[in-house]
Amino acid sequence: QVRLQESGPGLVKPAQTLSLTCTVSGGSISSGDYYWSWIRQPPGKGLEWIGYIYYSDSTYYNPSLKSRITILEDTSKNQFSLELSSVTAADTAIYYCARHSSLTTDAFDVWGQGTMVTVSS
Amino acid sequence: DIQMTQSPSSLSASVGDRVTITCRASQSISSYLNWYQQKPGKAPKLLIHAASSLHSGVPSRFSGSGSETDFTLTISNLQPEDFATYYCQQSYSSLMYTFGPGTKLEIK
Repeated sequence: QVRLQESGPGLVKPAQTLSLTCTVSGGSISSGDYYWSWIRQPPGKGLEWIGYIYYSDSTYYNPSLKSRITILEDTSKNQFSLELSSVTAADTAIYYCARHSSLTTDAFDVWGQGTMVTVSS
Repeated sequence: DIQMTQSPSSLSASVGDRVTITCRASQSISSYLNWYQQKPGKAPKLLIHAASSLHSGVPSRFSGSGSETDFTLTISNLQPEDFATYYCQQSYSSLMYTFGPGTKLEIK
């Protein structure tokens, strides 16, 4: 059973870079069958897809965030990460990592529990 | 970008009721429509993928239908644990996944 767990600082200062890691257990991120996404949810609001990484470091990013995002993978640790630069208060949100695949028409079938990140000085 | 809308934004219902939530896409997405349930303080859970395919372990009282631009999620015989917020999501455009704004289902 695949499990995802987000980790990283809960507080980031404005203009700095937010860095989060998603650790995958129970399955390999380099299997090629799955895509690995980041999704966020501002407090009390809806869900926003951020971007994903796929086998061999292929990445796709939300165009509205593309200039500030980097998603990387570390296959040796079975982890993938998110970096979001030049953060503002608008980036305050719960950040989720999630898995999807063409087997379920790219539905997000496994989610991490989420980690709250607050942008504040 | 493909925009997703949902109606209603909230609704009240009683245990045992049958409810329907509607999701509309701004352009045709074939059957690339997924439904999620989210409870307070929890991550979303996948209910239905490909418009009508029940995800593993999801009770059969949940069902989905639709294609192209108009989709529905129906919950029959509402149970206390079904009161939550429901989101639709299109996966037609793999370059930009988008979610609907959500429908909050509350107990009457």
